[in-house]
Amino acid sequence: QVELQQSGPGLVKPSETLSLTCTVFGGSIDSYYWSWIRQTPGKGLEWIGNIFYDGVTAYNPSLRSRVTISVDTSKNQFSLRLTSVTAADTAVYYCARERFNMVGGIITTRWLDPWGQGTQVTVSS
Amino acid sequence: QSALTQPASVSGSPGQSITISCTGNSSDVANYNFISWYQQHPDRAPKALIYQGNRRSPRVSTRFSGSKTGNTASLTISGLQADDEGHYYCCSYAGSSWVFGGGTKVTVL
Repeated sequence: QVELQQSGPGLVKPSETLSLTCTVFGGSIDSYYWSWIRQTPGKGLEWIGNIFYDGVTAYNPSLRSRVTISVDTSKNQFSLRLTSVTAADTAVYYCARERFNMVGGIITTRWLDPWGQGTQVTVSS
Repeated sequence: QSALTQPASVSGSPGQSITISCTGNSSDVANYNFISWYQQHPDRAPKALIYQGNRRSPRVSTRFSGSKTGNTASLTISGLQADDEGHYYCCSYAGSSWVFGGGTKVTVL
């Protein structure tokens, strides 16, 4: 059974860079998409972006200018960097695996399973 | 892409059935195969319940079921139990990005 373990600091200063890592246990990072999602009381769940194991990324347009997601297949890890953070970036951050089914080479469904345990990140000086 | 619309709260007594709606538009909910539902208990990560609109994730109780009518997807919880209390989120993958509903708080009376 695949489990995702998140690591990274819970406190980041304004204008600095938020960095989190998600390690995949019990399975390979290969052949899947991997997402970062954050949750705030005010905005609910917000998708940040994802990465395929080969390194191809997609980002939420509202965060694209500040986000970088990378993958290290040798360590079975993927990471999130969010630059120039402000108080508005205070949230619980989750990593998740994107599962999908394919028919004739076309993805016919996608869902997020499992999720990491979550990391509360507070932006404060 | 705007968020999917869910009721803020739904309640029911033990043993009853409740239904949570999720309304979107032609670019998200209408593509039913990409609708999924998640359960979240306090201070826990979301857990996948339903994918492809109406398929249950492994080890998820048969009391949870998904359906769709027009641009509205629905999650039904049958035989409501105390452990079903929590927040429920619908989600859609459309146009190379993910969009979530605002969440529904389920209370077992």
